[in-house]
Amino acid sequence: GAVVSQHPSRVICKSGTSVKIECRSLDFQATTMFWYRQFPKQSLMLMATSNEGSKATYEQGVEKDKFLINHASLTLSTLTVTSAHPEDSSFYICSARDPGMDVNSPLHFGNGTRLTVT
Amino acid sequence: AQTVTQSQPEMSVQEAETVTLSCTYDTSESDYYLFWYKQPPSRQMILVIRQEAYKQQNATENRFSVNFQKAAKSFSLKISDSQLGDAAMYFCAYRSALGGGADGLTFGKGTHLIIQP
Repeated sequence: GAVVSQHPSRVICKSGTSVKIECRSLDFQATTMFWYRQFPKQSLMLMATSNEGSKATYEQGVEKDKFLINHASLTLSTLTVTSAHPEDSSFYICSARDPGMDVNSPLHFGNGTRLTVT
Repeated sequence: AQTVTQSQPEMSVQEAETVTLSCTYDTSESDYYLFWYKQPPSRQMILVIRQEAYKQQNATENRFSVNFQKAAKSFSLKISDSQLGDAAMYFCAYRSALGGGADGLTFGKGTHLIIQP
């Protein structure tokens, strides 16, 4: 079945540096991918919708200059956390829908990236 | 904006028993999709069951079934014959049908399900 691969699974970085997280659709072309953030023992919050070939759509309260999203190809979306700070430490998860399937088909999720900023 | 509410932060059930997780949502839309996802300690999101709002028949997937009450905006999940592997966080989620699949999911806060052996 369709698979979404997310890399890295875990990253530790120093405060002030930038970190890039990749989300790939392995056997389908995803025109739209979604980025979520999950704090410990909390729910997933939609951060932004990544659109291939155009600008991402950010949810209210999400800083687009802080969380840069690039969707340069139909199989890859990247999330870059710029000038990371300890409060950016969280679990980031991407998801995508196979456009070749019914519109009501469920989203496929990556395995997530645990970011720790020291 | 849509909201999803899960009022049970934690539920506990004996192995082989039945448990029901509650979910309510708020929307002004008439067409949408509802999902239950399971998140084990590995953090992988696993789809448990889904329901199209235009379908009156409740969805079932083996031991998992839903009670979808559209007028009440309620979407509860029933797990029959609970197994140890069912232990996880369960999230109820909503997705609009207006965007043609371009909309992300709105999640509830989750219910931590504990299975007592």
